[in-house]
Amino acid sequence: AQSVTQLGSHVSVSEGALVLLRCNYSSSVPPYLFWYVQYPNQGLQLLLKYTTGATLVKGINGFEAEFKKSETSFHLTKPSAHMSDAAEYFCAVTRGGTSYGKLTFGQGTILTVHP
Amino acid sequence: KAGVTQTPRYLIKTRGQQVTLSCSPISGHRSVSWYQQTPGQGLQFLFEYFSETQRNKGNFPGRFSGRQFSNSRSEMNVSTLELGDSALYLCASSYGRGLGDTEAFFGQGTRLTVV
Repeated sequence: AQSVTQLGSHVSVSEGALVLLRCNYSSSVPPYLFWYVQYPNQGLQLLLKYTTGATLVKGINGFEAEFKKSETSFHLTKPSAHMSDAAEYFCAVTRGGTSYGKLTFGQGTILTVHP
Repeated sequence: KAGVTQTPRYLIKTRGQQVTLSCSPISGHRSVSWYQQTPGQGLQFLFEYFSETQRNKGNFPGRFSGRQFSNSRSEMNVSTLELGDSALYLCASSYGRGLGDTEAFFGQGTRLTVV
């Protein structure tokens, strides 16, 4: 079974400050990892993904995440927060093969950005 | 390229009724997954269809069912609605090959309210 834990249901930062959203996963097989963002009353938009290869993954809107197998972590960072980054962020994991279409999500982290 | 389209966007139903939600995937995508999102339980996987066959299934009662047509469009049905079925239902499509170069694209969701 797979699981995802996002540490901190709410994170608040000032505009221009570093954004760090934490995600730890549990998987019995090499995982595929994703970060999604959701704005109010909208679906999910993919920020970035890790499948294989380079462990530092760059995504859209200046976000990046590093896959650390030894720590079973996939934390999301952005050097400088912008007001438009305020949203809810979800970390997700899946296996490959025929289970690829089944994503297991964390509980989400609401990011608030203060002026 | 058109995105994932879910219809209707909003729906109000009475307890005991049944409801059908529709999802049109991105052209060329053969996998459609369904998720339920609630404030209490977060994002939970319902089921995935690939080439008209249910390939993965989550832990939901039999009142929740789905199907996929030859054009990859999918429908989800919930029978004997309960108040607890009130949620945002999200559909995601992907090529479904299980390879690391694919990703799931989400629709905007259908907001179901059961009264």
